[in-house]
Amino acid sequence: SQQGEEDPQALSIQEGENATMNCSYKTSINNLQWYRQNSGRGLVHLILIRSNEREKHSGRLRVTLDTSKKSSSLLITASRAADTASYFCATPYSGYSTLTFGKGTMLLVSP
Amino acid sequence: DTGVSQNPRHKITKRGQNVTFRCDPISEHNRLYWYRQTLGQGPEFLTYFQNEAQLEKSRLLSDRFSAERPKGSFSTLEIQRTEQGDSAMYLCAPGVRGTGESGANVLTFGAGSRLTVL
Repeated sequence: SQQGEEDPQALSIQEGENATMNCSYKTSINNLQWYRQNSGRGLVHLILIRSNEREKHSGRLRVTLDTSKKSSSLLITASRAADTASYFCATPYSGYSTLTFGKGTMLLVSP
Repeated sequence: DTGVSQNPRHKITKRGQNVTFRCDPISEHNRLYWYRQTLGQGPEFLTYFQNEAQLEKSRLLSDRFSAERPKGSFSTLEIQRTEQGDSAMYLCAPGVRGTGESGANVLTFGAGSRLTVL
């Protein structure tokens, strides 16, 4: 079963605006990852944040993690049309040596 | 270029037929995962190989599904007696334990093989 749940399901913004998407999860984790999926393609790893970290940056990406609320957010600043994709959070899958993914947020960035 | 080749990219088949998908990682990976993704959903874990050994199977993996990784390099996923509910994208993801921080698994996905069962 999928542990993470992203919010909103879909987000539509203009180029240059910031995009924020959220992920909530159910059980304790030691890390959380965000992935991007362009239409019809596989997922690409974006960033990983450890449970003892509160915030992490990578280029135009900013990820926060609040373990007390079991939630994470992904902020994409100064968005571009090329950022149009689905974004998924992923957490360790309890009982398995892999990751479980949420349903994703579909981001549309219009020129 | 994801470093993972999956074939075929798209397979259309009739209900009841068998299909096989192949995953070829370009470089060596001791771990390999198969996931399934349906429209509007995130990927769901199916099975995991460590070298040639199939170590984990999801509860989603019915008896009609079988996977192999004979030499610890490429892998195949076969679905027997396909059903319409098998229609999905099948994603292969090689991985190396310890890649990423905290020894976390960081997955590199192929572009996937899309199955349509009529």
